[in-house]
Amino acid sequence: DGGITQSPKYLFRKEGQNVTLSCEQNLNHDAMYWYRQDPGQGLRLIYYSQIVNDFQKGDIAEGYSVSREKKESFPLTVTSAQKNPTAFYLCASSPGQGKDTPLHFGNGTRLTVT
Amino acid sequence: QQQVKQSPQSLIVQKGGISIINCAYENTAFDYFPWYQQFPGKGPALLIAIRPDVSEKKEGRFTISFNKSAKQFSLHIMDSQPGDSATYFCAAKTGGYNKLIFGAGTRLAVHP
Repeated sequence: DGGITQSPKYLFRKEGQNVTLSCEQNLNHDAMYWYRQDPGQGLRLIYYSQIVNDFQKGDIAEGYSVSREKKESFPLTVTSAQKNPTAFYLCASSPGQGKDTPLHFGNGTRLTVT
Repeated sequence: QQQVKQSPQSLIVQKGGISIINCAYENTAFDYFPWYQQFPGKGPALLIAIRPDVSEKKEGRFTISFNKSAKQFSLHIMDSQPGDSATYFCAAKTGGYNKLIFGAGTRLAVHP
């Protein structure tokens, strides 16, 4: 079955530690995205990538970093510079620069930092 | 101007009733308006979408109504079922790239 796999489902870290969230897709999609979801705030775009070895900042990129070395993979690192890292993180993909192509989401990683 | 304002924040409907969720936007360059449905612990999934050149789109029990002059669009769920209980997000997009601006979400509970 084609889809997006995010791992792990739950992640716990101590404050001050960097942590990397995994996102893998086998949909052969060109574009990949990271969103952050907080209660009552909808989904906010962190980073997106249209093609391998290229990525752009979204609306809330501070304290995060990404890489896109392979088409299938778009890992997100939450650094110690992120002031409020506890959230639900969603990875998504889409076929590319089509006008109305839907986003396909993974099932998320819930990160708790204490 | 890039915001999409969604209301209500939460909604309780009896089984068989109509659920209505509203969204408003300011940016007239938005040209694609999808609705996503999210169940607890899952990622959102596309439910239905509309472009501004039509005023209504229906898929089964789900209908989007679009009012371009008022810059508003809404989701109607007819004959609401307990299985429709989920969080619903409206969104909007402009330009050739798939960067969506999401509303804050509406948590719908359909009681039997």
